[in-house]
Amino acid sequence: GENVEQHPSTLSVQEGDSAVIKCTYSDSASNYFPWYKQELGKRPQLIIDIRSNVGEKKDQRIAVTLNKTAKHFSLHITETQPEDSAVYFCAAAYNNNDMRFGAGTRLTVKP
Amino acid sequence: DAGVIQSPRHEVTEMGQEVTLRCKPISGHNSLFWYRQTMMRGLELLIYFNNNVPIDDSGMPEDRFSAKMPNASFSTLKIQPSEPRDSAVYFCASSGHEQYFGPGTRLTVT
Repeated sequence: GENVEQHPSTLSVQEGDSAVIKCTYSDSASNYFPWYKQELGKRPQLIIDIRSNVGEKKDQRIAVTLNKTAKHFSLHITETQPEDSAVYFCAAAYNNNDMRFGAGTRLTVKP
Repeated sequence: DAGVIQSPRHEVTEMGQEVTLRCKPISGHNSLFWYRQTMMRGLELLIYFNNNVPIDDSGMPEDRFSAKMPNASFSTLKIQPSEPRDSAVYFCASSGHEQYFGPGTRLTVT
């Protein structure tokens, strides 16, 4: 089955700096890669996703890149703000089924 | 749309008792997922359904766990008998093109 690894487990940046979180996956059949943000005590919320037919997707300060050959994908947050502080999860799935999550990255943005 | 609805939001029970968690997916979504989240093990997929049919239950930890989806708008996750190590937050999620999570049920087994 799919195995997703996520790095780093914790990340601390200064407000205004960029943050990058990286994930690798094992199943070459996976074609859907969402990212979720989870604030303390809340549910994971979808913030951006990418499908295997594109290499990059951007939504304001958030971007995701995908390298299918290397089986890795990354989340980039620019101009970080304190409200970006949360745990971020990557995931991989085939057609949005059997979704497997990474272990999470705790991002802290220091004002 | 109210999103994915879960009940109860919090459950405290004693070891050995039966626990039933409930989920109402987003209308029109044809897939439903049950997850368990703990500090030690992160977010684990327990089981998922497509069109009310269980597709993969390999994540269900033991026979004490069972899940049903009798119709497109309702699913249950049952633990019988419950044990302290079952304490976790249980999320239900549903998907059409994207997967959305419910608010979760925080289960504490004493």
